[in-house]
Amino acid sequence: DQQVKQNSPSLSVQEGRISILNCDYTNSMFDYFLWYKKYPAEGPTFLISISSIKDKNEDGRFTVFLNKSAKHLSLHIVPSQPGDSAVYFCAASAYSNYQLIWGAGTKLIIKP
Amino acid sequence: DTGVSQNPRHKITKRGQNVTFRCDPISEHNRLYWYRQTLGQGPEFLTYFQNEAQLEKSRLLSDRFSAERPKGSFSTLEIQRTEQGDSAMYLCASSSETQGAYGYTFGSGTRLTVV
Repeated sequence: DQQVKQNSPSLSVQEGRISILNCDYTNSMFDYFLWYKKYPAEGPTFLISISSIKDKNEDGRFTVFLNKSAKHLSLHIVPSQPGDSAVYFCAASAYSNYQLIWGAGTKLIIKP
Repeated sequence: DTGVSQNPRHKITKRGQNVTFRCDPISEHNRLYWYRQTLGQGPEFLTYFQNEAQLEKSRLLSDRFSAERPKGSFSTLEIQRTEQGDSAMYLCASSSETQGAYGYTFGSGTRLTVV
């Protein structure tokens, strides 16, 4: 049973436009959510996170929105740049836990 | 500090052989994690250490898998009698105790191919 789902395997966006990546979760015990970015042949790198007490967190071009009632979060990248082309993973954790539960990832392709 | 280092980067082995991977975490991190990632999936938790103590093992870690972290520094992950289903990317991450799961730094992984 997948507790964290990223239903879009891939997404193609024009350079300069907004990229929106979505993530759904089922476990109401999750209280912290993270987005990671992964380039080929590299490990995932942390991008942005959000605590369940917030509904929005912004860091430069990246904003994460959390809708707890819908158990849904999204990552907005604006404006999208060619270097943003990568696989994006959504991950979640319960308080004080040591492990992350990951979605399957969405491959973002930024077209010039 | 150069981050989390994993060796080898790639390993091709015949079914039935044993393989061992190494992870060198960030020196001030006392937590170390192993994850496995198969094609088209996100990473799956295998095990984690706090200092030299292995505090949790996933059900994914069968008896053929063993992990160690002697002296609380580097860690090794050994797979005995490899099977084709073991083919995956094996990722190591480290964090400080205060950051826990929220402060992972990943290595580049070891890609295992069992033929």
